[in-house]
Amino acid sequence: EAAVTQSPRNKVTVTGGNVTLSCRQTNSHNYMYWYRQDTGHGLRLIHYSYGAGNLQIGDVPDGYKATRTTQEDFFLLLELASPSQTSLYFCASSDNNYAEQFFGPGTRLTVL
Amino acid sequence: GQQVQQSPTSLVLQEGENAELQCNFSTSLNSMQWFYQRPGGSLVSVFYNPSGTKQSGRLTSTTVIKERRSSLHISSSQITDSGTYLCAINMGYKLTFGTGTSLLVDP
Repeated sequence: EAAVTQSPRNKVTVTGGNVTLSCRQTNSHNYMYWYRQDTGHGLRLIHYSYGAGNLQIGDVPDGYKATRTTQEDFFLLLELASPSQTSLYFCASSDNNYAEQFFGPGTRLTVL
Repeated sequence: GQQVQQSPTSLVLQEGENAELQCNFSTSLNSMQWFYQRPGGSLVSVFYNPSGTKQSGRLTSTTVIKERRSSLHISSSQITDSGTYLCAINMGYKLTFGTGTSLLVDP
């Protein structure tokens, strides 16, 4: 059974729309991460968290909010989506900040 | 400059041939991982290898921290090995990824 799940798997929205991407992990891990993957840039860290209620800023945070409601659940919020946020989004979890990271299946977001 | 460099950028093999993928990093690190990405997107962790040599089936990873390099050896390649292989280094909280090696295994 998959330990990191993401929903939705695909999402299409319009410029200015509201989008919430969800991630759940059943690894009992402390750390959770949101990355985006773009051609020419590879994977880049948006936000991460080391526990419920905690949020840390990553390398490309502009235009994104995130919230860690429980140890299991980490959400990425795009409140005014723009076409530049069209991307493949991955969630990951790890036991600590240098341990192996386990990735979800990804969410493909298209902003028209 | 790029902290993680992978080579080659792309590789075409005949089924049954071996492959050696390289990952070089320009900074000290805590650990590193190799990933396989299927066409269509999902990322699968192949090795978590802070140092030394690890083997899993036909795949072998060797990481030499002091030389700032890691390699992924694929023996007796199969068509299903086709995809992109990414290495990533962990310097404390995040993974920094290379741009990947695209592997195509022809029958």
